[in-house]
Amino acid sequence: QVQLVESGGGLVKPGGSLRLSCAASGFTFSDYYMSWIRQAPGKGLEWVSYISGSGYNIYYADSVKGRFTISRDNAKNSLYLQMNSLRAEDTAVYYCARESSTSRTIDYWGQGTLVTVSS
Amino acid sequence: DIQMTQSPSSLSASVGDRVTITCRASQGISNHLAWYQQKPGKVPKLLIYAASTLQSGVPSRFDGGGSGTDFTLTINSLQPEDVATYYCQKYNSAPWTFGQGTKVEIK
Repeated sequence: QVQLVESGGGLVKPGGSLRLSCAASGFTFSDYYMSWIRQAPGKGLEWVSYISGSGYNIYYADSVKGRFTISRDNAKNSLYLQMNSLRAEDTAVYYCARESSTSRTIDYWGQGTLVTVSS
Repeated sequence: DIQMTQSPSSLSASVGDRVTITCRASQGISNHLAWYQQKPGKVPKLLIYAASTLQSGVPSRFDGGGSGTDFTLTINSLQPEDVATYYCQKYNSAPWTFGQGTKVEIK
């Protein structure tokens, strides 16, 4: 069965950096686009970034462009999100998500990892 | 960027009622529209994609419709387990954008 397990969240000061990881299993990881989606406490869903199976096609939301970097290691079945210059408004649960092979919708979600940016 | 606007932001209905949530795109997105359900404390779940195609395993009381800029999610015969926040998402072109959510409660 498909499993996505995030790690790397925690408390960081404004301006700091954090690297999130997502370990994928139960499917051929390199065949799928993957996304990071976040949800601030008590708020709605915000898509952050996606990366194609090969890693060549990448897109970022304007809110994180230039600060966050998505990457993947298909040999390790892992997805990453390097987050730099963090701001208070980046505080959220970050979900690793798999995009469906038939439509660019999210068919599997991880349980999420909480990132808190605070001094 | 295309904006997605849901209405209402919340609603309260009785068990057995028909409930309709609307999602409007600021530009046409054909049928590239999905609906997700997020129960309290849980991860979102895909309900509908391509505006009207039910994801495998989703109860048939959920029904999606629309095309272009105006879309609906209808829950026919609301059940207690349908208490959740529902989000639309457009995926015709990046950036993928979610609506702000509609919270559904039981009266």
